[in-house]
Amino acid sequence: NAGVTQTPKFRILKIGQSMTLQCTQDMNHNYMYWYRQDPGMGLKLIYYSVGAGITDKGEVPNGYNVSRSTTEDFPLRLELAAPSQTSVYFCASSGSGTGASPLHFGNGTRLTVT
Amino acid sequence: KQEVTQIPAALSVPEGENLVLNCSFTDSAIYNLQWFRQDPGKGLTSLLLIQSSQREQTSGRLNASLDKSSGRSTLYIAASQPGDSATYLCAVLNAGNNRKLIWGLGTSLAVNP
Repeated sequence: NAGVTQTPKFRILKIGQSMTLQCTQDMNHNYMYWYRQDPGMGLKLIYYSVGAGITDKGEVPNGYNVSRSTTEDFPLRLELAAPSQTSVYFCASSGSGTGASPLHFGNGTRLTVT
Repeated sequence: KQEVTQIPAALSVPEGENLVLNCSFTDSAIYNLQWFRQDPGKGLTSLLLIQSSQREQTSGRLNASLDKSSGRSTLYIAASQPGDSATYLCAVLNAGNNRKLIWGLGTSLAVNP
């Protein structure tokens, strides 16, 4: 199994550009999450989804959008990139939202906005 | 407000040592606690998950304990190896309606041959 796959691995954007970070999982997990990781700040939840067609905001949703049209895919959209969105982005999935099962992470996307 | 602290922030040990990583949390009303490993440039790998009703979990050379009343968890690594070098993060899942995962900043471990 591939687990959680994220693309691209690296990206440089200019201010105001838009892009979509792709995330797909092959474990048939209902729960999927987007995190960002900044030095000295820990992981922050951006958006999450409890199943196809259902998404909700996390701690830091401003400037981002998500969709969940299938169980496998959970793309993250940046509409107007800003330098504050320079970060490493991780997608994760789990079989249970109650925390009874562990999180599975992708390898991340390193995004720089200049 | 739940806060998770990991001490030390960095640790360097010679190969073969047994070592302990610490994780403390301020609110004992948790659902579970997870320990993760993160290698440079990679995602996080779940190591151990301890439910609030459990006292410890073991996997190979790793043993994690949980003391909810004192707000502490320790990750014990036996006979450390250079391949154990990574950042170790703990995260607690709050109990109740606001079920939210709160992360520590991690301990960066270097095991020297």
